[in-house]
Amino acid sequence: ETGVTQTPRHLVMGMTNKKSLKCEQHLGHNAMYWYKQSAKKPLELMFVYNFKEQTENNSVPSRFSPECPNSSHLFLHLHTLQPEDSALYLCASSPPGRDYEKLFFGSGTQLSVL
Amino acid sequence: TQLLEQSPQFLSIQEGENLTVYCNSSSVFSSLQWYRQEPGEGPVLLVTVVTGGEVKKLKRLTFQFGDARKDSSLHITAAQPGDTGLYLCAGDGNAGNMLTFGGGTRLMVKP
Repeated sequence: ETGVTQTPRHLVMGMTNKKSLKCEQHLGHNAMYWYKQSAKKPLELMFVYNFKEQTENNSVPSRFSPECPNSSHLFLHLHTLQPEDSALYLCASSPPGRDYEKLFFGSGTQLSVL
Repeated sequence: TQLLEQSPQFLSIQEGENLTVYCNSSSVFSSLQWYRQEPGEGPVLLVTVVTGGEVKKLKRLTFQFGDARKDSSLHITAAQPGDTGLYLCAGDGNAGNMLTFGGGTRLMVKP
């Protein structure tokens, strides 16, 4: 148990659906991340938020829309996804200060797009 | 773009054997981390190495950071089935909150 909770754990959606992934942490961390993990690729950073402000958008298509209402919660809104977007979506957080690079991951949402 | 290459990609061994996995790059990293990911879970941080040539031990796991801070290795002594999982290295290139991850080594330890 890392202290980072993601819901849902599994999600199946059609290409015309709209869904949201949720992540929360109560570790006092100020940075939160979305990563995509596909079968044959390294972990890909999608978005970074520091103190609720988006600091990185790693060339992610607009069909993925992040939202960070406060430092403890992070959402990823999904719409009109493609089958190639099927992957494990991991949320992570990291503490402030010199340990900023130490990531605490949630268990992920396994997403299947039909 | 900084890249980290891990080898081997897959490793299947018997309980009690020793193994080493490697994480290599042409880029210099200010620190490097190793994570283990079990099926159905997210990666869990095992160790961070910061100084060139640094060696850290975590029970039967020994982590080494290369002198030039471009590569790292993970050695497991007397592997156990509980060591099964995906081992990921990740480098901090001082680009803010953006770690570079390797492709991972998937380890299976058979009883």
